[in-house]
Amino acid sequence: NAGVMQNPRHLVRRRGQEARLRCSPMKGHSHVYWYRQLPEEGLKFMVYLQKENIIDESGMPKERFSAEFPKEGPSILRIQQVVRGDSAAYFCASSLREKLFFGSGTQLSVL
Amino acid sequence: DAKTTQPPSMDCAEGRAANLPCNHSTISGNEYVYWYRQIHSQGPQYIIHGLKNNETNEMASLIITEDRKSSTLILPHATLRDTAVYYCIVRAPDNQGGKLIFGQGTELSVKP
Repeated sequence: NAGVMQNPRHLVRRRGQEARLRCSPMKGHSHVYWYRQLPEEGLKFMVYLQKENIIDESGMPKERFSAEFPKEGPSILRIQQVVRGDSAAYFCASSLREKLFFGSGTQLSVL
Repeated sequence: DAKTTQPPSMDCAEGRAANLPCNHSTISGNEYVYWYRQIHSQGPQYIIHGLKNNETNEMASLIITEDRKSSTLILPHATLRDTAVYYCIVRAPDNQGGKLIFGQGTELSVKP
């Protein structure tokens, strides 16, 4: 059973471009969580989604950030018009009942 | 905000038991205690979780006090590869949100 898959592993964008981060949950998992980790800081919750529904987006910045988890395909975290402060590691986790399993993350670098 | 308090750092000798404490005095009756660790820049790794009983698996043991206000993660024979940041997290069930709120964790250094 493959783990949580995130791609790309590394993503470089220039200021003002869009970043799309993908997360494929473990097989059978219907809950997806996104977290952000700024350099030298802890993990911060961003959003919690189930298939086709956003359950909790209390950690999402109000502008430029959006997330979706369609009926088919991976979950997508989209960052529009990236700024240098968006440079961070973005982790996705999926869960079925009690355990959350994390992917290896996407390292976003904004030039 | 995280509902747990952990020491910022600890050292442990290789081969000895590592005992990592955690305080969660405001835990609610239906909230679980989870432990994760993060090695360098990798994704957090699940270790163990429990509600009120002590738990053991192939990685570690979790001891929860009777009043549930604190717990201890025990790595019975620490190795150099156990050097990581260890997070103690209080989590509500899936049907009540279920997100993990990470605190600052304990940076465990296992030394030869």
